[in-house]
Amino acid sequence: ETGVTQSPTHLIKTRGQQVTLRCSSQSGHNTVSWYQQALGQGPQFIFQYYREEENGRGNFPPRFSGLQFPNYSSELNVNALELDDSALYLCASSYKDRGSSYNEQFFGPGTRLTVL
Amino acid sequence: GNSVTQMEGPVTLSEEAFLTINCTYTATGYPSLFWYVQYPGEGLQLLLKATKADDKGSNKGFEATYRKETTSFHLEKGSVQVSDSAVYFCALSVAGSARQLTFGSGTQLTVLP
Repeated sequence: ETGVTQSPTHLIKTRGQQVTLRCSSQSGHNTVSWYQQALGQGPQFIFQYYREEENGRGNFPPRFSGLQFPNYSSELNVNALELDDSALYLCASSYKDRGSSYNEQFFGPGTRLTVL
Repeated sequence: GNSVTQMEGPVTLSEEAFLTINCTYTATGYPSLFWYVQYPGEGLQLLLKATKADDKGSNKGFEATYRKETTSFHLEKGSVQVSDSAVYFCALSVAGSARQLTFGSGTQLTVLP
């Protein structure tokens, strides 16, 4: 069973540029969540995709957007990069079942984004 | 809103010492509670969980009990090892569409031989 994978591992961009981060979910999972982890902080929820639609969003501006594909992999896009966007971006996949009280999330290793 | 407060770090212990990392929470509804661990250069790994009041989660010698009356979920281990050195995050998830995780700020644990 393949776990959650993310690419690239590291990325350096300049202010104003755009970036796309990629995530492959664990086999059998249908939901992908993205989190931003600033240095020395806990992860913050950006949004979640379920069956190719956004299924919840945290307190992030519209320049953070995403996609989920039919194979349940996902992309996170960030436009007009700002210095404060420098962080570790974590993807987590899970199997969403409406009847369960929670769905365990499995995290990838993250993409380290540096904005100069 | 939902929030998690963890004890300030970093924490430095000698091998075989007793560990407690405090965690309290505020939540709307009845949350599920989690402890995640992050080793250097890696993503988050679920350490243990509890989904209802008085449940005790346990794994690899770590334990935490869901205390609704004190809104707490403190992490404990009776005898830490050098390999336990990592950052520990307390988190919660409430019922709802996304059931996203809300994390504390993390506690850095260093265990010295």
